[in-house]
Amino acid sequence: GAGVSQSPSNKVTEKGKDVELRCDPISGHTALYWYRQRLGQGLEFLIYFQGNSAPDKSGLPSDRFSAERTGESVSTLTIQRTQQEDSAVYLCASSPGGLAYGYTFGSGTRLTVV
Amino acid sequence: RKEVEQDPGPFNVPEGATVAFNCTYSNSASQSFFWYRQDCRKEPKLLMSVYSSGNEDGRFTAQLNRASQYISLLIRDSKLSDSATYLCVVNLSGSARQLTFGSGTQLTVLP
Repeated sequence: GAGVSQSPSNKVTEKGKDVELRCDPISGHTALYWYRQRLGQGLEFLIYFQGNSAPDKSGLPSDRFSAERTGESVSTLTIQRTQQEDSAVYLCASSPGGLAYGYTFGSGTRLTVV
Repeated sequence: RKEVEQDPGPFNVPEGATVAFNCTYSNSASQSFFWYRQDCRKEPKLLMSVYSSGNEDGRFTAQLNRASQYISLLIRDSKLSDSATYLCVVNLSGSARQLTFGSGTQLTVLP
């Protein structure tokens, strides 16, 4: 596609429920990244995919968080048993894989846990 | 010490002013450097890459000082539309995370 697409754009969920966030990267981009941004805060790295493998999962805050990627395509970030502190904007980015290019971000999913 | 450190600001400047931001990074072997811009409640967008010899894009000039491990962004003749948070981004050599983002410097250009 023309850009990185994320869905849903907004999600309100009850505490304790599971949520699934989706990211569709730019076609041909081998690298995919998930970040979290709490209100008024900086970007917090979550996980990085190269193809469908995840060389770096060190940013996932707890075992309630998991992510998958199908080939060099769609990725899903799953949060189980959501807590109020999970409320944030979840941003996905993709890149061609080389470090010279920077990342292109999607517009994010705004998650609110009530 | 943070891996990528920026003055959070806020910087409040009048329209037409020149403003400069600095950013320091921890790893002397870092290879790639960028400035991103993030508008309120929007995603970060690539503003410009930073090359070793320095580079300019219109009113924006980016410079790299490897010896002192900092990069800078200069904005000349600032416009109201330049109001945003500017993120310093560095590839910390050897990092599997590829790029590390600073916390950002907030700029408000006042009429």
